[in-house]
Amino acid sequence: EDQVTQSPEALRLQEGESSSLNCSYTVSGLRGLFWYRQDPGKGPEFLFTLYSAGEEKEKERLKATLTKKESFLHITAPKPEDSATYLCAVQAVANTGTASKLTFGTGTRLQVTL
Amino acid sequence: NAGVMQNPRHLVRRRGQEARLRCSPMKGHSHVYWYRQLPEEGLKFMVYLQKENIIDESGMPKERFSAEFPKEGPSILRIQQVVRGDSAAYFCASSPTGTQYFGPGTRLLVL
Repeated sequence: EDQVTQSPEALRLQEGESSSLNCSYTVSGLRGLFWYRQDPGKGPEFLFTLYSAGEEKEKERLKATLTKKESFLHITAPKPEDSATYLCAVQAVANTGTASKLTFGTGTRLQVTL
Repeated sequence: NAGVMQNPRHLVRRRGQEARLRCSPMKGHSHVYWYRQLPEEGLKFMVYLQKENIIDESGMPKERFSAEFPKEGPSILRIQQVVRGDSAAYFCASSPTGTQYFGPGTRLLVL
């Protein structure tokens, strides 16, 4: 069974204080690892897809990296508007040839204060 | 390009009533997924559909829950005889292939 564990559960940063969120996973065969951002009362917003170990992607103050066992979401010089819950999910290779479900972690709640 | 649409955004039902949740995928997306998010829990997969076909329903409770994605119109998640434990946020996602894009969700409250 595919599993995703995210840490820490909650993180409080001051504006400008860089940090990293961790996502550890086990999956039968990785098709993709996904990062989403979720604001209270809203649906998850897509951030990144990573497909293979060593891959990195960046968007503004966020950078996602992937190894064979875990992924990191690095936040550089965060701002209060980066406050949200960050979700990690894995998608396994489907033997049917179709895209398959996402298995999510429980998320990291990030709060960035002035 | 409009995003994934879900309605209603909020739904209140009494125990024993039926709940119907609707999802219109993004234009050009033929894959639809339903997930449930319980308070303080992560998103849990329920069902994956393509037009007129259920591809994977391994996360769907065996009783009272059903889903469809007809040739014309939105995908429907139907919950019969709702119980208090069905109270949750239900999210729909659509995909052209791999990456899934989520709608704003329907928050179901069962009294």
